[in-house]
Amino acid sequence: DGGITQSPKYLFRKEGQNVTLSCEQNLNHDAMYWYRQDPGQGLRLIYYSQIVNDFQKGDIAEGYSVSREKKESFPLTVTSAQKNPTAFYLCASLSLGTGLGQPQHFGDGTRLSIL
Amino acid sequence: QKEVEQDPGPLSVPEGAIVSLNCTYSNSAFQYFMWYRQYSRKGPELLMYTYSSGNKEDGRFTAQVDKSSKYISLFIRDSQPSDSATYLCAMSSYSSASKIIFGSGTRLSIRP
Repeated sequence: DGGITQSPKYLFRKEGQNVTLSCEQNLNHDAMYWYRQDPGQGLRLIYYSQIVNDFQKGDIAEGYSVSREKKESFPLTVTSAQKNPTAFYLCASLSLGTGLGQPQHFGDGTRLSIL
Repeated sequence: QKEVEQDPGPLSVPEGAIVSLNCTYSNSAFQYFMWYRQYSRKGPELLMYTYSSGNKEDGRFTAQVDKSSKYISLFIRDSQPSDSATYLCAMSSYSSASKIIFGSGTRLSIRP
């Protein structure tokens, strides 16, 4: 079945540590996205990428970094500069080649907590 | 002012009731409209997708878009306890179709 796989499901970060969240998709989608979701709040865009080796900052990129070396993969690193990383992180993808206005499809998220 | 406004709820209704969920928006360029359902600790799943104005029906779900009022709705008929979730509206424009703007979500609870 095609879909988006996020791992791990739960992740704990120590002070001063960088952690990397994995996102892999086998939908052959061009664009990939990372969102942060805090309790009772909507989705806030961290980074997005429409093509391999290119990505753009979203609304809350500070303290995060990404790479897009393969079409299928878009890992997110939460750096030690992100002082409040506890949140639910969602990865999404979207097809750009099948017409405009396509909806995003989501993975099942990674819950990150501070130790 | 946010581009997309959505009442956070919580909204609690008895089983079998008709549920109406709504979003308003300010950007008249939005043309693509989506509704997602999100269960606790899961990612959002796409429920309905519509283009421009009008209605779209899928089983117990009806999505309605009124572009003149910048208002979209999702109706759930014969609501079930399994419909208890957070519902997110989302939209995008023709010129920026890859950047989707989400509402903050409405938490819905269906009482058995």
